[in-house]
Amino acid sequence: EDKVVQSPLSLVVHEGDTVTLNCSYEVTNFRSLLWYKQEKKAPTFLFMLTSSGIEKKSGRLSSILDKKELFSILNITATQTGDSAIYLCAVEAGRGGADGLTFGKGTHLIIQP
Amino acid sequence: AAGVIQSPRHLIKEKRETATLKCYPIPRHDTVYWYQQGPGQDPQFLISFYEKMQSDKGSIPDRFSAQQFSDYHSELNMSSLELGDSALYFCASSLGQGSPLHFGNGTRLTVT
Repeated sequence: EDKVVQSPLSLVVHEGDTVTLNCSYEVTNFRSLLWYKQEKKAPTFLFMLTSSGIEKKSGRLSSILDKKELFSILNITATQTGDSAIYLCAVEAGRGGADGLTFGKGTHLIIQP
Repeated sequence: AAGVIQSPRHLIKEKRETATLKCYPIPRHDTVYWYQQGPGQDPQFLISFYEKMQSDKGSIPDRFSAQQFSDYHSELNMSSLELGDSALYFCASSLGQGSPLHFGNGTRLTVT
C-alpha cells in the first residue's frame, strides 16, 4: 500500500522565520511528488517534482526531491501570516494513466505576527 | 483564468437518499479526478477519468458511481447515503497524464 508521511503535523512560528516541511514516501512505481497549499477550500498547486536534486522555486517557496532517500522538503523563507495553511504532500504512483494521488496528512502551519 | 467548477457548493441530504455532484474541468483538460475529504482528514482518491473512460479507481464505495461526458464534465452519483458520507468532495482536472492536478472548491455534502 502506498504511504506518504508528512512532518511535523503542526508548526507554529513567528513572522519572518524560515520553515522546512518534510514529506517521505513509500510507493510502487513512483511518478511524481506534488505540494499543495490548502487554506479554507481547495488545495492549490505549488510544485510538481519528478527529478532528484533539482530545486523548484517560486518566490519565497522552494522544494526539492530526493528519489534515493524517498523524501521531499518544502522551504518557506521570510514567512508571512498569509502563509498560514495546511501544506499537503501528494505522490502520484502506479501503472500509468490517470492514477489518483496519495496524500499525506498535511502539515498545519501557523504564522504568528 | 478559468478554474475547476463544482456544483452545488453545499448539499444537505437525508440518509438513504441519493445525490449527484457535478464537475466542470478547466477548458481543454481531459482528465478528471474525484476526491473525498472528511473533517480534519487528507483527501482520499475515489475515481478518475481520462478521455471519458474510467482510468483508475480508489476507495470509492459500490454505492457511488461516476462518469465523464462528451464535453468532459463529470458527475459523481451517490446512492443510499450514509451519515459517514458527509464530507467535502473535490473534483480536480489535469491536462493529460503527468501534469499537475488543479482542484475545484469542492461540494460540502451533509447527510442527516
